[in-house]
Amino acid sequence: RKEVEQDPGPFNVPEGATVAFNCTYSNSASQSFFWYRQDCRKEPKLLMSVYSSGNEDGRFTAQLNRASQYISLLIRDSKLSDSATYLCVVEDSWGKLQFGAGTQVVVTP
Amino acid sequence: EAGVTQSPTHLIKTRGQQVTLRCSPISGHTSVYWYQQALGLGLQFLLWYDEGEERNRGNFPPRFSGRQFPNYSSELNVNALELEDSALYLCASSLRGRGWDEQFFGPGTRLTVL
Repeated sequence: RKEVEQDPGPFNVPEGATVAFNCTYSNSASQSFFWYRQDCRKEPKLLMSVYSSGNEDGRFTAQLNRASQYISLLIRDSKLSDSATYLCVVEDSWGKLQFGAGTQVVVTP
Repeated sequence: EAGVTQSPTHLIKTRGQQVTLRCSPISGHTSVYWYQQALGLGLQFLLWYDEGEERNRGNFPPRFSGRQFPNYSSELNVNALELEDSALYLCASSLRGRGWDEQFFGPGTRLTVL
């Protein structure tokens, strides 16, 4: 079983709509969680950290469910520029980051 | 401020050859991470260096190795190249070797093994 699993998508989203997707992790001892964004043929960049209480950054909301071992990302009022692959990232017991394979989001006009 | 730089950008090698990839972290960052991203797959953690020492390595064979220099730049060496080593190799740096520090990625080196 992979340490971090994501639905690869693609999630096809009309512009202005809301999209949400989850990521599950296997290591219950994981402490830090992140969402990174990777545009086509570009390097990943940090989108946001995920805090226990959930957090919001503009149109993006991240939530953590420790009991069920998943994190989620919700994008409101989707923009064309939100089209990208969203990588779920979990810090493992040894302090290194485990990346999911990514969820592709395609926002259409 | 300059970001993470990697060289070369592209590389074509044949099976059995050896390759060295280079990475310069953001100034002030002491931790360097190497990842492999094969086509259609997620980032696979390769190696983590901090303050000149290898802190951790991923589930890769010993022919993948590297080092970090006193100026915190790093090299990734791959010996006896195999076809499945074809991938984008990404280097990232962070301020310190703490899991919650943001990792900043370089543009990557695309390696093709024929």
